[in-house]
Amino acid sequence: AQSVTQLDSQVPVFEEAPVELRCNYSSSVSVYLFWYVQYPNQGLQLLLKYLSGSTLVKGINGFEAEFNKSQTSFHLRKPSVHISDTAEYFCAVSDGAGNMLTFGGGTRLMVKP
Amino acid sequence: GAVVSQHPSWVICKSGTSVKIECRSLDFQATTMFWYRQFPKQSLMLMATSNEGSKATYEQGVEKDKFLINHASLTLSTLTVTSAHPEDSSFYICSARDPRATEKLFFGSGTQLSVL
Repeated sequence: AQSVTQLDSQVPVFEEAPVELRCNYSSSVSVYLFWYVQYPNQGLQLLLKYLSGSTLVKGINGFEAEFNKSQTSFHLRKPSVHISDTAEYFCAVSDGAGNMLTFGGGTRLMVKP
Repeated sequence: GAVVSQHPSWVICKSGTSVKIECRSLDFQATTMFWYRQFPKQSLMLMATSNEGSKATYEQGVEKDKFLINHASLTLSTLTVTSAHPEDSSFYICSARDPRATEKLFFGSGTQLSVL
């Protein structure tokens, strides 16, 4: 069984400030990790994914995430956020075969001017 | 918190048979539910948006006669894979918006379909 915990349900931050959205997972097998974003009134969009290789993964819109196996974490970061980054962010994990996708509860990023 | 229940979690069927997957919102009324398909190592693919009391809206390239969606009540949407073939084997997951929580999205636990 696998699970995903997003520790913060809401993260308020001022524009141009850095942000980190936390994600921890548990799994008995090797995993693939994903971050998705849902902008208001839109569907899910893939931000980035970790399948193998370098533990630092760069995604779209200036986001990056680092896979830390020892801490079972996959935190999402952006050095300087924009108002347009206001959205709901979901961390997800799938098993080593790339199936059985499990989502975290989501983190609402609220960027203030 | 809000919970979306999806079952079955696993289903194995013979080629040519139909399989029904249920998605229920347990403690809120979901006028809109979403059905996704997960291909290994790839991004989640939105298949269709299920609207209570009306026809589902299918994404481009998704066969509506193949993947039948019924949203008969405010708490239940079903996806039926008709005449399933091995290429339909995949992980299917549903989600629903909770209108009480500024449309926050909740996910079901998913269904792994294997067609032999």
